[in-house]
Amino acid sequence: DAGITQSPRYKITETGRQVTLMCHQTWSHSYMFWYRQDLGHGLRLIYYSAAADITDKGEVPDGYVVSRSKTENFPLTLESATRSQTSVYFCASSWTGSRNEQFFGPGTRLTVL
Amino acid sequence: AQSVAQPEDQVNVAEGNPLTVKCTYSVSGNPYLFWYVQYPNRGLQFLLKYITGDNLVKGSYGFEAEFNKSQTSFHLKKPSALVSDSALYFCAVRDAWGNDYKLSFGAGTTVTVRA
Repeated sequence: DAGITQSPRYKITETGRQVTLMCHQTWSHSYMFWYRQDLGHGLRLIYYSAAADITDKGEVPDGYVVSRSKTENFPLTLESATRSQTSVYFCASSWTGSRNEQFFGPGTRLTVL
Repeated sequence: AQSVAQPEDQVNVAEGNPLTVKCTYSVSGNPYLFWYVQYPNRGLQFLLKYITGDNLVKGSYGFEAEFNKSQTSFHLKKPSALVSDSALYFCAVRDAWGNDYKLSFGAGTTVTVRA
């Protein structure tokens, strides 16, 4: 099916472990984004990518790593998870052009124990 | 720099009454403004956007929003609310003069429509 998907939908891990959250979109959108959603903070941008092999930091990038070897995939890795990274993570994508809205995936709820 | 404020954490209305969710913004240049809705355990869904032109923008599910440049506001409205409109609403802004496509989101407003 066309759209933007995220996996896993739910993840529980322990402090210090590496975790990778997957994001896949079928629209061939150039831009992709990773956000985290925390109560009282709305959505905060972690990283974004303008195209394959082009990524840049957002508002809260510390502790996260991204890559984009293919246009359709944009994985987010927590290299050594911390409790403060417990959150709901959303991936989004959009067409090129600042007037275009972003389309969001269903989210991944991550708990770090 | 760009930012958005949603001054109300919660809005409660009775079904059939008008619904307003407030949003004010700050940008260096001209704003591109967006409203999204989030239902429980779901991702954000796009409702409408203001880019240029008519200050009254119509969107999905009967929602509309009014852009007011002098008050730097972009309030979301619905003339007659439904119980199914109960959700979390986010306003977002992008600076049209900016060189990236980043959106800044407000903290969100929880709307509860009672039957």
